[in-house]
Amino acid sequence: SVLTQPPSASGTPGQRVTISCSGSSSNIGSFTVNWYQKLPGTAPRLLIYRDDRRPSGVPDRFSAYKSGASASLAIRGLQSEDEAEYYCGGWDNTLYGPVFGGGTRVTVL
Amino acid sequence: QVHLVEAGGRAVKAGGSLRLSCAASGFSFGDSYMAWIRHVPGRGLEYIASISNSGSNIQYEDSLKGRFTVSRDNINNLLVLQMNSLRTEDTAVYYCARVLGTFELDSWGQGTLVTVSS
Repeated sequence: SVLTQPPSASGTPGQRVTISCSGSSSNIGSFTVNWYQKLPGTAPRLLIYRDDRRPSGVPDRFSAYKSGASASLAIRGLQSEDEAEYYCGGWDNTLYGPVFGGGTRVTVL
Repeated sequence: QVHLVEAGGRAVKAGGSLRLSCAASGFSFGDSYMAWIRHVPGRGLEYIASISNSGSNIQYEDSLKGRFTVSRDNINNLLVLQMNSLRTEDTAVYYCARVLGTFELDSWGQGTLVTVSS
């Protein structure tokens, strides 16, 4: 994948978990980042858009930030229903197309 | 409320063809960029194609060019993906999504499963 994410992350209920997304100047470094949550058996859902904005309905436990060519998603107060795959995504100006990270599977221990 | 419903997924032999459709409602379809995305367990989300509101601007993932064709019918609020020469690696759940801004996929359908066997 053009954007690099760790394959897995985990935490106990109530903990804070952070997922990284590393890119380059042609994607994250120049364009906004979006994050998607994919619960098992369901369609992906836009979780964060334009680097750090939450759509209505997304709990404020989810936050994100970007610095240079890297971005991060943080889940505060981890809950069992947060067990899912999380993907970063955006635009790449060299490929001239959208790109995704490989996804991070979050497990609640 | 945005509502997207995909249809057409089924089991097919390698080399075969499938036509997927996505029925849109609850928003101004004719004013919206749309995209097809697929999810493969173990490979994650993969971009397939996107199409502008008028259909005049179409873009494909390079590796799928020539086999997949996206089109739209703004009269009937329908997005279509024609898939030819299918391969086993095309096995996936296929989603249509609305595109906003810099490729923010803000609304997704429930997906349709395509299974390609050898």
